[in-house]
Amino acid sequence: KNQVEQSPQSLIILEGKNCTLQCNYTVSPFSNLRWYKQDTGRGPVSLTIMTFSENTKSNGRYTATLDADTKQSSLHITASQLSDSASYICVVSESSGTYKYIFGTGTRLKVLA
Amino acid sequence: NAGVMQNPRHLVRRRGQEARLRCSPMKGHSHVYWYRQLPEEGLKFMVYLQKENIIDESGMPKERFSAEFPKEGPSILRIQQVVRGDSAAYFCASSMGPNTEAFFGQGTRLTVV
Repeated sequence: KNQVEQSPQSLIILEGKNCTLQCNYTVSPFSNLRWYKQDTGRGPVSLTIMTFSENTKSNGRYTATLDADTKQSSLHITASQLSDSASYICVVSESSGTYKYIFGTGTRLKVLA
Repeated sequence: NAGVMQNPRHLVRRRGQEARLRCSPMKGHSHVYWYRQLPEEGLKFMVYLQKENIIDESGMPKERFSAEFPKEGPSILRIQQVVRGDSAAYFCASSMGPNTEAFFGQGTRLTVV
């Protein structure tokens, strides 16, 4: 069964600190992996997208890594800001041509001043 | 170029009533996807539509739920005879094609009382 699991479920950090969120997936065949940020009451917004051949992708203070062999991904947030407080969702797409995203349940990040 | 527009943002219905959720895709996008997010769960695929066609409705409940994307106008997700279990956030996404980036709307939060 295709699944995407994320950890931790929730995380609280102080402003300015770094953090790393984890994603494990069993989706096969694999096309690409996305990280989304979802603010409370809003729709998901794409942060990064990686295909099978990519190991790392950065978007400002967000850096995503992908190990397609172990089927693991991480999202590293550097120098966190209060506005980073949100849910971060790992989304995996099946093989190319398939539109059905498999969503993880997300990690709820809270950044405190 | 406005993003994906969903309305209403919040909808309250009594048990047994009908709920109609609207989604206007981004300009130039002819592919629309509907997802449902139950509390504390990840988004789940419901249906994929192109103009005037339902491509895949494998995620839709067999009864009471229907979706359309007419030649003119927004896509509509219709839920008949709503029950309390239908309470959820319903997100719409659109893309230019099945293999291109999908952009999400803000969602419609349906509450059945």
